[in-house]
Amino acid sequence: EAQVTQNPRYLITVTGKKLTVTCSQNMNHEYMSWYRQDPGLGLRQIYYSMNVEVTDKGDVPEGYKVSRKEKRNFPLILESPSPNQTSLYFCASRGTAGAFFGQGTRLTVV
Amino acid sequence: GQNIDQPTEMTATEGAIVQINCTYQTSGFNGLFWYQQHAGEAPTFLSYNVLDGLEEKGRFSSFLSRSKGYSYLLLKELQMKDSASYLCAVGDYKLSFGAGTTVTVRA
Repeated sequence: EAQVTQNPRYLITVTGKKLTVTCSQNMNHEYMSWYRQDPGLGLRQIYYSMNVEVTDKGDVPEGYKVSRKEKRNFPLILESPSPNQTSLYFCASRGTAGAFFGQGTRLTVV
Repeated sequence: GQNIDQPTEMTATEGAIVQINCTYQTSGFNGLFWYQQHAGEAPTFLSYNVLDGLEEKGRFSSFLSRSKGYSYLLLKELQMKDSASYLCAVGDYKLSFGAGTTVTVRA
């Protein structure tokens, strides 16, 4: 089954404690991206990757890092999370058959 | 980013047709996506338009006019399960989303 898997689904953490949200896809897609979704603001792109070792900033990259060492994985790293990064995060991948989103990670930073 | 506008809410009756408009302003255009998102769930892909015209997929159709910076998503024979938020997005690798249109289908 074609899918994008994010972990964890829910996370509560404290300000400043580094965390990583993992994302993995099984469709051999070259393109992957990360979004955050906030009420009234919709989905905003954080980073995207066009292929292994090729990443670029989206509209809201501040406070986030990504890496793409292998095609299937695209982790999102928050080196020093702050309360304004409390949000719902989605990973997505896209190929010729369409675009697929992970189930989301609800992050709360206190 | 891009400036993307879509109505906030729409209500329609089961079996009816609803048209969700999306207007955008961009310095360059690569394509326009439509996604459906049910409350508490991930978005699911509906359509991708690159060229002008209408593309039909079952009960859902999407139209694009690049010269007017305009697209619409047409939902026909509405069903209760179509109650969801519909997201318009413009771009290619770098993607910008509208705030979404919440469609409520009433019996």
